[in-house]
Amino acid sequence: GAVVSQHPSWVICKSGTSVKIECRSLDFQATTMFWYRQFPKQSLMLMATSNEGSKATYEQGVEKDKFLINHASLTLSTLTVTSAHPEDSSFYICSAREGGDGYTFGSGTRLTVV
Amino acid sequence: QKEVEQNSGPLSVPEGAIASLNCTYSDRGSQSFFWYRQYSGKSPELIMFIYSNGDKEDGRFTAQLNKASQYVSLLIRDSQPSDSATYLCAVANSKLTFGKGITLSVRP
Repeated sequence: GAVVSQHPSWVICKSGTSVKIECRSLDFQATTMFWYRQFPKQSLMLMATSNEGSKATYEQGVEKDKFLINHASLTLSTLTVTSAHPEDSSFYICSAREGGDGYTFGSGTRLTVV
Repeated sequence: QKEVEQNSGPLSVPEGAIASLNCTYSDRGSQSFFWYRQYSGKSPELIMFIYSNGDKEDGRFTAQLNKASQYVSLLIRDSQPSDSATYLCAVANSKLTFGKGITLSVRP
């Protein structure tokens, strides 16, 4: 079946630094990738939708200059959290869609900003 | 009104019982409906999807969809302690929107 690899699985960074998270579709080409954020005991909140070769579409309330998304190829999307602060600490999850309703999730990245 | 609502919970059932999880959605144009299971600290894993009105069965799981009532449910038969997790309802249009989830606990 479709596999999405997400790295790193966890990261700790200092406040003010930037962190990059990678999401790769290993055995299919993802026309669209999605980035979610999940705070403890809450559901997944969609942050942005990215299509290969075009700018990401951000959900209302998500700062596009803070959460930089690059979808340079059909198998790779990256999320960079710039100038991270403790309130950015969360579980970030990517999802890739090959076509139709085939959504495959990465394993998630636990970000802790200290 | 939230797009996808899962209001009941947490839910606790004894081992072997039927667990019933409910979800309503607001967008009548929604075409695809999903149930995911999420263990603590892990990414969601797909249990079932359903597109058409009626029931869809897969092993111990049955998804039920009623588009007129904008309602989708998940039944888990013969519940096992390993079924204890958070169950997320999701609805797809151009993107996947999740409900807040219901935490299920199956008592041995």
